[in-house]
Amino acid sequence: GQNIDQPTEMTATEGAIVQINCTYQTSGFNGLFWYQQHAGEAPTFLSYNVLDGLEEKGRFSSFLSRSKGYSYLLLKELQMKDSASYLCAVRDSNYQLIWGAGTKLIIKP
Amino acid sequence: GAGVSQSPSNKVTEKGKDVELRCDPISGHTALYWYRQSLGQGLEFLIYFQGNSAPDKSGLPSDRFSAERTGGSVSTLTIQRTQQEDSAVYLCASSPEGLGGYEQYFGPGTRLTVT
Repeated sequence: GQNIDQPTEMTATEGAIVQINCTYQTSGFNGLFWYQQHAGEAPTFLSYNVLDGLEEKGRFSSFLSRSKGYSYLLLKELQMKDSASYLCAVRDSNYQLIWGAGTKLIIKP
Repeated sequence: GAGVSQSPSNKVTEKGKDVELRCDPISGHTALYWYRQSLGQGLEFLIYFQGNSAPDKSGLPSDRFSAERTGGSVSTLTIQRTQQEDSAVYLCASSPEGLGGYEQYFGPGTRLTVT
C-alpha cells in the first residue's frame, strides 16, 4: 500500500530552527509537496521537490532523497505565526497526490 | 485574481437529508479536486476532475456521494441521506493541469455537521 509518515506533533521555541521529517512509500514518484495549514484554514503551498537536494525559499527549505524515500522541511528563525500543521504529499505514478496526516507544530515564546 | 471559493462555508443538516456543496475554481484551472478532512486528521481524497470528466472517483466513500462539474468550471459535491460520520470539512482545490508538478490551490472549505 501507499504510506506517508510524519510525526504527529512537534514543539519548538521562537527564534529557533525545526526540522519536520516525512518518509514515504508510494507506487512511483512524481514529486513531493509541503503545505502549511493554520487551524481552521485551508492548506497553502510551501514547496515542491522532484529532484534530490535542497530547495531554499526564505526561512523555509525542503530537502528530498528519492533513494531513501525521505524529505524534510526546515524552518529557520521561527515565529509565532509558524504555529500550524505541515502536510507532506507525494505524487505517485498515476499523478495522484497521497497526503500525510500532517505534523502539528507548536511554537513557544 | 479571485481564488477558489466554496459555498456554503458552514452547513448543519439533519441525518438523512441531502446536501449539496459548491466549488468555484480559479478561472482557467482545468483540474479540480475534492477532499474531506476530519478534525485533526489529514486530507482524504474524494474525486478528481480534468475538465468535466472524472478519471478518478476512487475516493468516494459510498454511493451516497456523487459529484459533477459543468462547463469545466463550477463543481458540486452531493451527499445523499447524510450520516453523522459524514461530518467533516470538505475542501476543494484547483490547479492549472491535472498532471505535472503544479501546486493545488485550496478553497476555504465547507464545514458540514450532521446532527
